[in-house]
Amino acid sequence: DAGITQSPRHKVTETGTPVTLRCHQTENHRYMYWYRQDPGHGLRLIHYSYGVKDTDKGEVSDGYSVSRSKTEDFLLTLESATSSQTSVYFCAISSSTGSVTDTQYFGPGTRLTVL
Amino acid sequence: AQSVAQPEDQVNVAEGNPLTVKCTYSVSGNPYLFWYVQYPNRGLQFLLKYITGDNLVKGSYGFEAEFNKSQTSFHLKKPSALVSDSALYFCAVRDGNYGQNFVFGPGTRLSVLP
Repeated sequence: DAGITQSPRHKVTETGTPVTLRCHQTENHRYMYWYRQDPGHGLRLIHYSYGVKDTDKGEVSDGYSVSRSKTEDFLLTLESATSSQTSVYFCAISSSTGSVTDTQYFGPGTRLTVL
Repeated sequence: AQSVAQPEDQVNVAEGNPLTVKCTYSVSGNPYLFWYVQYPNRGLQFLLKYITGDNLVKGSYGFEAEFNKSQTSFHLKKPSALVSDSALYFCAVRDGNYGQNFVFGPGTRLSVLP
């Protein structure tokens, strides 16, 4: 999985609790992304980062925040989890150019269940 | 805004037969098209991409895809299917006018029957 790890791989939590998912890469790539995967929707972009402390919103960013204090780590936080955030979350990375032709490479995913 | 459609939720094909997984797209700028495959409980694996040039793109595991600008399509093909090709396939597009936004289709589940 292209030098990308995600932790935890599975998590069950309760509505209203904060949750943080971690993505770690060993490729030294500049761009990192968080997606969620839901049946019938494919993958939808939540947030992405184009460098340390540089982040931007994606298509479905409401209810999520991100942080990137080091090149290798990109954190996704659900401040107060809701049942609608039950999903599989994927981290992706792409190379340093930021070109629209760059390929994205995906981590193994985190399955989050909010009860 | 860009969008991707995969008109078939499920494709069934017999082992050894050719397979096609369909994808159509809509963008305002130049399209950059990608195919990914997802095996159970795994992340997405990159298969191939079209950037420019030859309309027939060859990728991993014997897959290829044909870009058709007039039909706004980018169908994934393989001449002879294997049981191990059974998986979920995603088409994705990037619009040259919209930077980092990578839009995925809903996915097509391919079942190759022995």
